[in-house]
Amino acid sequence: AQSVTQLGSHVSVSEGALVLLRCNYSSSVPPYLFWYVQYPNQGLQLLLKYTSAATLVKGINGFEAEFKKSETSFHLTKPSAHMSDAAEYFCAVSDFRGSARQLTFGSGTQLTVLP
Amino acid sequence: NAGVTQTPKFRILKIGQSMTLQCTQDMNHNYMYWYRQDPGMGLKLIYYSVGAGITDKGEVPNGYNVSRSTTEDFPLRLELAAPSQTSVYFCASSYGTGDTEAFFGQGTRLTVV
Repeated sequence: AQSVTQLGSHVSVSEGALVLLRCNYSSSVPPYLFWYVQYPNQGLQLLLKYTSAATLVKGINGFEAEFKKSETSFHLTKPSAHMSDAAEYFCAVSDFRGSARQLTFGSGTQLTVLP
Repeated sequence: NAGVTQTPKFRILKIGQSMTLQCTQDMNHNYMYWYRQDPGMGLKLIYYSVGAGITDKGEVPNGYNVSRSTTEDFPLRLELAAPSQTSVYFCASSYGTGDTEAFFGQGTRLTVV
C-alpha cells in the first residue's frame, strides 16, 4: 500500500512570507496525488491534484505544488501567505485497495500565519 | 447545491450506546466514504461504497457498520460505543476514483464517555 509522509505537523510563517509544506509519498508506480485544506470546523476541500499531465500543478487561492519523481515529493507552496491561509493541510495519494481506489492521507500540517 | 450533508454535527454517547451517523449527497455520486479524523493521525478510511447495495471495509472498520440502499444515502452505524470511537467523522463522495475529487461533509464530532 502506498503511504504519505508530511514533514512538520505545525508550520508558522509571517504574513507575506513564503509558504512551504512538505509531502513525500511512497509508490512503485506514478501516483495520483492531492492536497486538501481544512478550515476550522469544516470538511476538507480540494486545493490541487497531480494526475501526470504536468509536474507543476496550480490550485486555488494561489497555491501550487511540484511533482518530483526523483525525490518522491509533492511539496505545496505559496509565494506570499495571507491570514486566511491559516488552516490544516493534508497531502493524499490515491491507492488501489479492495474494490476501488482509495485516498490515503498524511497526518496533516497545521499552518499558522503570523501578523 | 447542498453537496454532502452530515447529521448530527455533535453528539455525546455513553459507553455501550448505539447511534447512526447520517450522510446524504445530492451530486449523484457512485462512490461514498466514511473517515474518522483523530489529532495528528490524518484521516483513516472506515468503510466505502462503490454504488447502491455495495459496501466494503476500509482501514479501520471494527465497531462500525454501513449500508447503502440508495445512491444518495450512506449511514454509519456505531454499535456498543467505546471511548476509542471518540473522533470526528467525515463522510465524502466522489464521481469516480483515481484522480477524481472527493467532496466532504462538515463532519460529526462524537464523544463517547
